Amino acid sequence: SQQGEEDPQALSIQEGENATMNCSYKTSINNLQWYRQNSGRGLVHLILIRSNEREKHSGRLRVTLDTSKKSSSLLITASRAADTASYFCATERGNQFYFGTGTSLTVIP
Amino acid sequence: KAGVTQTPRYLIKTRGQQVTLSCSPISGHRSVSWYQQTPGQGLQFLFEYFSETQRNKGNFPGRFSGRQFSNSRSEMNVSTLELGDSALYLCASSMTRGTDTQYFGPGTRLTVL
Repeated sequence: SQQGEEDPQALSIQEGENATMNCSYKTSINNLQWYRQNSGRGLVHLILIRSNEREKHSGRLRVTLDTSKKSSSLLITASRAADTASYFCATERGNQFYFGTGTSLTVIP
Repeated sequence: KAGVTQTPRYLIKTRGQQVTLSCSPISGHRSVSWYQQTPGQGLQFLFEYFSETQRNKGNFPGRFSGRQFSNSRSEMNVSTLELGDSALYLCASSMTRGTDTQYFGPGTRLTVL
């Protein structure tokens, strides 16, 4: 399976702290995307990083990509209670998206 | 622009029945993908449609089928429902295939009794 895996599976932090989650995948990719899902709802696109990029920022989000290690990380700085959600990485290869298993983030007010 | 819409939002069926789920993509988007999400298996790719043609298919039995209309709206059908088909079914649309961002609908929660 080309499905990615997020690590950790669950993360609980205090509001204001930073949250880091990692994604590992198995095959070469064209791009990697991160999505957020609030409980039982659709996924919301956060950020896309292409295979020739190493780092990308968007607001409080910072994504890195290491294609040699087949891994990516998502950093959320100064977390807020509203960031509580599941976070998924998705890799694209052959016009098909492969989603990871997700990291459940809980931000405690 | 209106987002991706899915109908119905909730559905309860019994084993053996069939069900049809509908997805309306964002205006101008031509690619529609379907995913099944369960606690145990995570997000599993079902199929992708582009320009009314199925372009990719995941590893699901033939009971799962779909189609796309000329206005890019898509439907998926599950026949002979099984308990294990209980899941959140998500539809995602994008302007083109592959490298483009996918925009997800809220999903249809299917419960099979």
